[in-house]
Amino acid sequence: AQSVTQLDSQVPVFEEAPVELRCNYSSSVSVYLFWYVQYPNQGLQLLLKYLSGSTLVESINGFEAEFNKSQTSFHLRKPSVHISDTAEYFCAVIDYNQGGKLIFGQGTELSVKP
Amino acid sequence: DAGITQSPRHKVTETGTPVTLRCHQTENHRYMYWYRQDPGHGLRLIHYSYGVKDTDKGEVSDGYSVSRSKTEDFLLTLESATSSQTSVYFCAISDAGVNNSPLHFGNGTRLTVT
Repeated sequence: AQSVTQLDSQVPVFEEAPVELRCNYSSSVSVYLFWYVQYPNQGLQLLLKYLSGSTLVESINGFEAEFNKSQTSFHLRKPSVHISDTAEYFCAVIDYNQGGKLIFGQGTELSVKP
Repeated sequence: DAGITQSPRHKVTETGTPVTLRCHQTENHRYMYWYRQDPGHGLRLIHYSYGVKDTDKGEVSDGYSVSRSKTEDFLLTLESATSSQTSVYFCAISDAGVNNSPLHFGNGTRLTVT
């Protein structure tokens, strides 16, 4: 079965600093990868996804993630974070061995300080 | 937000009592999911539905049952609540399967079993 590992449970950074949230997945023939964001007291929202094509995918609010097949990674990056980026971020992968279900990582709590 | 309403938003119940959580959608989406969110575990799939009266188990289905008698409603029942079922429960919907359509999440139900 597919699995997802988010290597950092908490990432504190200062405003305007760059950030990288790390995600590794177990290998599979076909991989569809996602990043979701959860703001306090809300449900999850899709941030970006990789299905095929360019290995670099971008979101509308400045985040980007790069699919790296050789390293089985899908790290999320932003060159300059804002206070409003404070949230929990979840990496997810589709597991076709489990009927195409979405499997989530443990989450990374990003805390942006002024 | 996609039209997803979870009820109740908060519930405190005693061990051994039955509990039903409701997810209602106004999007006419085919797929509906129940996840639980726990610190250090991310989101884990409990049950999902791919149509009216069509449901299947997720990775943590023990102690839970579901029903979907109408497209718009997906009920999660804890037949006899236990303290280990204290969690935040999220309902999600999608239109065409997760790889082509993102999951849209409700705002969650916080359940405490004492």
